[in-house]
Amino acid sequence: GDSVTQMEGPVTLSEEAFLTINCTYTATGYPSLFWYVQYPGEGLQLLLKATKADDKGSNKGFEATYRKETTSFHLEKGSVQVSDSAVYFCALTSGSRLTFGEGTQLTVNP
Amino acid sequence: EAGVAQSPRYKIIEKRQSVAFWCNPISGHATLYWYQQILGQGPKLLIQFQNNGVVDDSQLPKDRFSAERLKGVDSTLKIQPAKLEDSAVYLCASSSNRVIGYTFGSGTRLTVV
Repeated sequence: GDSVTQMEGPVTLSEEAFLTINCTYTATGYPSLFWYVQYPGEGLQLLLKATKADDKGSNKGFEATYRKETTSFHLEKGSVQVSDSAVYFCALTSGSRLTFGEGTQLTVNP
Repeated sequence: EAGVAQSPRYKIIEKRQSVAFWCNPISGHATLYWYQQILGQGPKLLIQFQNNGVVDDSQLPKDRFSAERLKGVDSTLKIQPAKLEDSAVYLCASSSNRVIGYTFGSGTRLTVV
């Protein structure tokens, strides 16, 4: 079945550091790929998405590129802020089910 | 547009009691999902509705969990009887198109003591 594997957390960075959170997937067909973010005490929010190979999703300074050859969708940001502290989930849809990874906790210190 | 509404936000019950959660999706969204998110884990799909029909309930523990979506709009998820391991956040999401994405509610945090 479909699955998503994220790098284990937690990840702790200083403000303005470069961020990478790795995500790889296994799916049949051609999935759409997503990154969701969950701030403390809040629900899941869509951060960015990509629907086909080589697409780049971007939002709020975050980027991720759909790499079919490596089945990956790594999340990157060039300079993180304290306000980026949250849990980040990689997810895919193949068919109508949305399948999530386990999440990566990010803490950014001033 | 209004978001996905869920209630209550928090619920504490004793094991073996019953509990119900309510979700009102975004207007016009035909697909509605219930997810269970245990602390420290990613959300896991419990049940998916397309209008008022069940599309996928393969991961729903049917001996204690039930859900309905009468009239194809709002939905109720019930647990009876609750177990300690049911302590989690229950998330409702809706979608009009899986490629565009899914909108999640704020969730109901259930604690079973």
